[in-house]
Amino acid sequence: ETGVTQTPRHLVMGMTNKKSLKCEQHLGHNAMYWYKQSAKKPLELMFVYSLEERVENNSVPSRFSPECPNSSHLFLHLHTLQPEDSALYLCASSRSGQGNYEQYFGPGTRLTVT
Amino acid sequence: SQKIEQNSEALNIQEGKTATLTCNYTNYSPAYLQWYRQDPGRGPVFLLLIRENEKEKRKERLKVTFDTTLKQSLFHITASQPADSATYLCALPMDSNYQLIWGAGTKLIIKP
Repeated sequence: ETGVTQTPRHLVMGMTNKKSLKCEQHLGHNAMYWYKQSAKKPLELMFVYSLEERVENNSVPSRFSPECPNSSHLFLHLHTLQPEDSALYLCASSRSGQGNYEQYFGPGTRLTVT
Repeated sequence: SQKIEQNSEALNIQEGKTATLTCNYTNYSPAYLQWYRQDPGRGPVFLLLIRENEKEKRKERLKVTFDTTLKQSLFHITASQPADSATYLCALPMDSNYQLIWGAGTKLIIKP
């Protein structure tokens, strides 16, 4: 295993629901990331946290709201999602957000919005 | 804008042969490049990082080259095995220190 866990692994939600995705890293890393992966498309970076401070926010719709309470945990709060938000959501961590450090990914949450 | 291209078609290779995957990029000069492997239903797994001043990097049966003139990286798997079948992604740093941009990946199929 990579040392990054994500829950739940699968989630089906209606457009009016509110849910949260959880990520935890056991690697002592200082940076954490949320990515969206749609079929046959490149990974899309959504948010980056470094030392618990959000450092990147790539024009993500406000229906996605991240939270990083400490350097080991990252959440993605979801509300009033659209069907096009259905995708694999991946969490990753790295030793530092800067520089040439590799990223360690969790297994992802497969999200289906109905 | 910065752009990465990987062959979107699946690559079919006979077991035992060398598989070669290509990553081309445009519009900038990255300081390094990373390669990852992704299996279905799983997150990407880091394989190798190569810096701009390194022409070649090896790890067991894997070899990566980085040609900054051609703006291209080649990823080779020698003595390929069916277990090497996966999607391989390349990633490069954006101008921002915190971001990587990713290729869409090439699916590699090793046939017994």
